[in-house]
Amino acid sequence: NAGVTQTPKFQVLKTGQSMTLQCAQDMNHEYMSWYRQDPGMGLRLIHYSVGAGITDQGEVPNGYNVSRSTTEDFPLRLLSAAPSQTSVYFCASSLSRSRPNTEAFFGQGTRLTVV
Amino acid sequence: AQSVSQHNHHVILSEAASLELGCNYSYGGTVNLFWYVQYPGQHLQLLLKYFSGDPLVKGIKGFEAEFIKSKFSFNLRKPSVQWSDTAEYFCAVTGDKLVFGAGTILRVKS
Repeated sequence: NAGVTQTPKFQVLKTGQSMTLQCAQDMNHEYMSWYRQDPGMGLRLIHYSVGAGITDQGEVPNGYNVSRSTTEDFPLRLLSAAPSQTSVYFCASSLSRSRPNTEAFFGQGTRLTVV
Repeated sequence: AQSVSQHNHHVILSEAASLELGCNYSYGGTVNLFWYVQYPGQHLQLLLKYFSGDPLVKGIKGFEAEFIKSKFSFNLRKPSVQWSDTAEYFCAVTGDKLVFGAGTILRVKS
């Protein structure tokens, strides 16, 4: 049972490049979310999804897109990378469809540097 | 809007000292509350959670937290910290989404 698998673990991008961070879970969880972690700011919610075909914006959605075509996958796309997007990104999933009122499981994180 | 506030960003304690980390939240409806821990270089792990029932919840590694609804608080406690408790601690709350506080970095001196 792999849990939440997040790839890549490290990435360096040039300003203006685009890329997709992958997130997959094998626990049949309906709620999935993406966070960025920056020193002194905790984890800030980028986007979240309560089920396949349903996504919504979090606290810091600008510059990021998501889609949820299957229950298992929730990729995060950076459209045109900027140095301000240098951060550590975490994907998380939890069981509940309507509200995330169960434990969240986290991926290992992606350390992204934009130069 | 849903939000979480953690009172201290950095805490330094000696081994065997008692720990209390403050957490307050804002949300107009029913909430579920969590404390997560992140050890250096690792991802977040669940320490404890509160959904309903007894407002004093016990978690792993001797941690406990108390939910005080009237104060919108969920403070984390441990009677005697160890060097291995050095980590960053995050309070989190779910209303319609899972939101985290800014974190508290705990350093325990041996």
